[in-house]
Amino acid sequence: GAGVSQSPRYKVAKRGQDVALRCDPISGHVSLFWYQQALGQGPEFLTYFQNEAQLDKSGLPSDRFFAERPEGSVSTLKIQRTQQEDSAVYLCASSLRDGLGGYTFGSGTRLTVV
Amino acid sequence: AQTVTQSQPEMSVQEAETVTLSCTYDTSESDYYLFWYKQPPSRQMILVIRQEAYKQQNATENRFSVNFQKAAKSFSLKISDSQLGDAAMYFCAYRSADNNDMRFGAGTRLTVKP
Repeated sequence: GAGVSQSPRYKVAKRGQDVALRCDPISGHVSLFWYQQALGQGPEFLTYFQNEAQLDKSGLPSDRFFAERPEGSVSTLKIQRTQQEDSAVYLCASSLRDGLGGYTFGSGTRLTVV
Repeated sequence: AQTVTQSQPEMSVQEAETVTLSCTYDTSESDYYLFWYKQPPSRQMILVIRQEAYKQQNATENRFSVNFQKAAKSFSLKISDSQLGDAAMYFCAYRSADNNDMRFGAGTRLTVKP
């Protein structure tokens, strides 16, 4: 596609519910990133894929967070047993292999845990 | 670990005037890349300008330019002839040349007054 597409745009989850957030990167972009952006803050790195390989997951805040990209294109960020502190905007970005030209971001998913 | 600091939570500028947003960073690396991103209410992060640390010449993109002071670890953004559409959150970001971890500052909210 022309840009990075994320769905849903908004998600309200009850505490303890599992959620899945989808990211469809730009076609041909090898690298894919997930960021978490709390209200009034800058994005914080969660995880990075190169094709289907998850090369860095050091930013995932707990083992309740899980990301996958099984075919090297679409990625899903899953959060199990959601907590109120998980409420944030989750941004996905993609880039060519080295990413030195900058990343292209999607519009994010705003997750609210009630 | 690298950190990015934006010391101005909010800035205001009159339409058609010039404004400068500040950014400092901390790193022990010599090869890295710096970015300014704009985030309007739509939440999508839009790349404004990019600077390679090994280049002494300051990057410019139309009305946007940077003042890159490598020794001082400073990377400010100047917006000339400000327009109403420039109103947004602006984030400074650092990316090492050796890995894909892009780190963001906390952001500066820019208001443009007509």
